[in-house]
Amino acid sequence: AQSVTQLDSQVPVFEEAPVELRCNYSSSVSVYLFWYVQYPNQGLQLLLKYLSGSTLVESINGFEAEFNKSQTSFHLRKPSVHISDTAEYFCAVSEGGKLIFGQGTELSVKP
Amino acid sequence: DGGITQSPKYLFRKEGQNVTLSCEQNLNHDAMYWYRQDPGQGLRLIYYSQIVNDFQKGDIAEGYSVSREKKESFPLTVTSAQKNPTAFYLCASIETGLDTQYFGPGTRLTVL
Repeated sequence: AQSVTQLDSQVPVFEEAPVELRCNYSSSVSVYLFWYVQYPNQGLQLLLKYLSGSTLVESINGFEAEFNKSQTSFHLRKPSVHISDTAEYFCAVSEGGKLIFGQGTELSVKP
Repeated sequence: DGGITQSPKYLFRKEGQNVTLSCEQNLNHDAMYWYRQDPGQGLRLIYYSQIVNDFQKGDIAEGYSVSREKKESFPLTVTSAQKNPTAFYLCASIETGLDTQYFGPGTRLTVL
């Protein structure tokens, strides 16, 4: 069975600094990968996904993630964060119609 | 607007009482899911249903029950057998053959 590891539980960063949230998954077979974002006391919203094709995927609000098959990683990056990016971010992998989630990374952007 | 609704947003119950959480979707999605979220543990799958009148246990089904009598509805009952029910519960749905799960706003259950 798949497992997902998010290597950092909390990431504090100053506004306009770059950020990377790390995610590794367990299997090297073909996978679908997702990043979701959760604002306090809300549900999850899809940020971006990798299904196939280009290994670099982008979201509409400046985040990007790169699928690295050899390292079984799907790290999330943003070159310049904003206060409004403060949230919890979850990496997930699809297996048999179900999603396997990582433990989450709390991104805290400070002025 | 299409989407997933969960009610209520906050729910308080006394220990030993059963409680039912509502999840409704008007997206015409076939599959629906219930997750439990605890701090630092991510989301864990409780139950899921891929078609009406059928459902499967997820990773932490003990102490929970579900039904799927209608395509739009997938209520979750937290029974008195669930030893630690206080958590944030999230419902999701997906259209069969596609890949993205859509989530409801969640219900925060507190057992006193």
